[in-house]
Amino acid sequence: QVQLVQSGAEVKKPGASVKVSCKASGYIFTNYAMHWVRQAPGQGLEWMGWINTANGNTKYSQNFQDRVTLTRDTSATTAYMEVSSLRSEDTAVYYCATYITSPGDYWGQGTLVTVSS
Amino acid sequence: DIVMTQTPLSLSVTPGQPASISCRSGQSLLHSGGKTHLYWYLQKPGQPPQLLIYEVANRFSGVPDRFSGSGSGTDFTLKISRVEAEDVGVYYCMQSVQLPFTFGGGTKVEIK
Repeated sequence: QVQLVQSGAEVKKPGASVKVSCKASGYIFTNYAMHWVRQAPGQGLEWMGWINTANGNTKYSQNFQDRVTLTRDTSATTAYMEVSSLRSEDTAVYYCATYITSPGDYWGQGTLVTVSS
Repeated sequence: DIVMTQTPLSLSVTPGQPASISCRSGQSLLHSGGKTHLYWYLQKPGQPPQLLIYEVANRFSGVPDRFSGSGSGTDFTLKISRVEAEDVGVYYCMQSVQLPFTFGGGTKVEIK
């Protein structure tokens, strides 16, 4: 069965960076894109971008283009999402999600990133 | 960016009664390939979202048949024929016809 397991919660200071991992199993990792979605506390869902896990090509939402980097390690079947120059507004739960037959058909459990001085 | 507008913001439903959520997009979600890229998700409290409906009207694997989707172009509806206690949460529509993918603001469903 498809499983996405994300890394644990993080607390970071403003200006720092954070890297969230998403370990995939139960399907052929390089056959399908990985998407990332952000959810600020008490707010809705915001699509951040996606990575072609086969060749590493990425597409970002303009809102995240400057400070977010998506990468992957095919040997580890793991996708990564890094946010740099963290601000308090980046406090959110970050989700990875597959696109096997449809966008967001399977989701990770989410990773809470808290930015606080 | 395509704006997705959901109504109502919240819904309080008696168990066993129907519920309906509307989603309107700022432009047509019909792709040149013939499919309409409109999806519905349910986010239960404390959980990640889960896919309910893909391409307007197709139930994802394991989704009960009390959930149905309809619509075309820019106007879409999610219906729950008989709401159950486990259906509480926030429902989101999303489009993927154009980057960036965009979500509706969400509709919170509660049980009376």
